Amino acid sequence: QKEVEQNSGPLSVPEGAIASLNCTYSDRGSQSFFWYRQYSGKSPELIMSIYSNGDKEDGRFTAQLNKASQYVSLLIRDSQPSDSATYLCAVNSNYQLIWGAGTKLIIKP
Amino acid sequence: NAGVMQNPRHLVRRRGQEARLRCSPMKGHSHVYWYRQLPEEGLKFMVYLQKENIIDESGMPKERFSAEFPKEGPSILRIQQVVRGDSAAYFCASSPTVSSVTGTTNEKLFFGSGTQLSVL
Repeated sequence: QKEVEQNSGPLSVPEGAIASLNCTYSDRGSQSFFWYRQYSGKSPELIMSIYSNGDKEDGRFTAQLNKASQYVSLLIRDSQPSDSATYLCAVNSNYQLIWGAGTKLIIKP
Repeated sequence: NAGVMQNPRHLVRRRGQEARLRCSPMKGHSHVYWYRQLPEEGLKFMVYLQKENIIDESGMPKERFSAEFPKEGPSILRIQQVVRGDSAAYFCASSPTVSSVTGTTNEKLFFGSGTQLSVL
């Protein structure tokens, strides 16, 4: 059973601080990794994709991938209240995306 | 450049009625996925379709649920004889045929706004 694990939270972070979200996966053959953001009552929205080991930066977001340890993380710098949402980790396994249950992030003003 | 279109946004049904949820993928996308989400829970995969083919329906209940993606028209998720436990948000997503990065399918899903099904 291929799995993706996330801490459900909520993770509470002060405004302006760095929010760190983590995700582990079980399929060593996975090649593609995604972070989606979902606001309450809305559909998931892709914010980052990463395919190779190391860091990938896009604005205030940095995705980190370590295939040897089978984890992928998302860092959000200078956190804003508008970043408050549930963050879903998704990992490609064969032709499917395997989803984590999501981490609820709360940015406190 | 329309995104993934789902309708209706909200659907109210009484127990025993049928629910039909529609999804039109993004232009150029031939892969459609249906997910179900309960409040405060993650996405649960239901079914993966390509045009006129069901590729994987392992997440869909064997009874009362069916899905199709005809050659022409939207993908349909059909729930017969709905029960209260079917109340949930149903999301459709589409993806391009092949990833330019890895050469595999099912990259970068684009989601519709979802259909909130309420069974009275």
